[in-house]
Amino acid sequence: DTGVSQNPRHKITKRGQNVTFRCDPISEHNRLYWYRQTLGQGPEFLTYFQNEAQLEKSRLLSDRFSAERPKGSFSTLEIQRTEQGDSAMYLCASSSSTGLFSQPQHFGDGTRLSIL
Amino acid sequence: GESVGLHLPTLSVQEGDNSIINCAYSNSASDYFIWYKQESGKGPQFIIDIRSNMDKRQGQRVTVLLNKTVKHLSLQIAATQPGDSAVYFCAESDNQGGKLIFGQGTELSVKP
Repeated sequence: DTGVSQNPRHKITKRGQNVTFRCDPISEHNRLYWYRQTLGQGPEFLTYFQNEAQLEKSRLLSDRFSAERPKGSFSTLEIQRTEQGDSAMYLCASSSSTGLFSQPQHFGDGTRLSIL
Repeated sequence: GESVGLHLPTLSVQEGDNSIINCAYSNSASDYFIWYKQESGKGPQFIIDIRSNMDKRQGQRVTVLLNKTVKHLSLQIAATQPGDSAVYFCAESDNQGGKLIFGQGTELSVKP
């Protein structure tokens, strides 16, 4: 299977702890996106990369959140000092968009974060 | 602000019938639209997309219609099957490959 891969699938942690999620995109895709989804809602955009450059960040991405894509391949999303409100599904997507025309974003199955 | 919304939060259809899921968008600058299917515990799965220079696009058993005049998007599923039961999201974007803005979703339930 060469789809988008996310790890871990589930993460349970205590409030105040730091967590890190990993996303491996489809190999030939140059763009990588992070979204957050809560129950009953559509995904909300957090940030995206083209290769290793972070091109846009949402206002939802507070100072406690940081994302990296150091070599333009996999990406990590870290949340520091987690809060109850951070409980959500964190989704990663990738696409082969060049900036001229959009191409479909393909999603992984997400990391479900639960804050105790 | 910018938003994409759905007219019906739930839709129940009989197996074999056609389904129509509607979506309204508010940002007239959006020129790329996409439909996803999401099953429980999984990520959104791409169904079909359409650019603003088109008003209709067909896939396998699915058709997307775009009416830019009234900023309306619909997904038609022909001969709906139990495996089509899921939540369906529409999303919009500019045509530069950036962020998607999602609606709340419509839950499709197919009765055998």
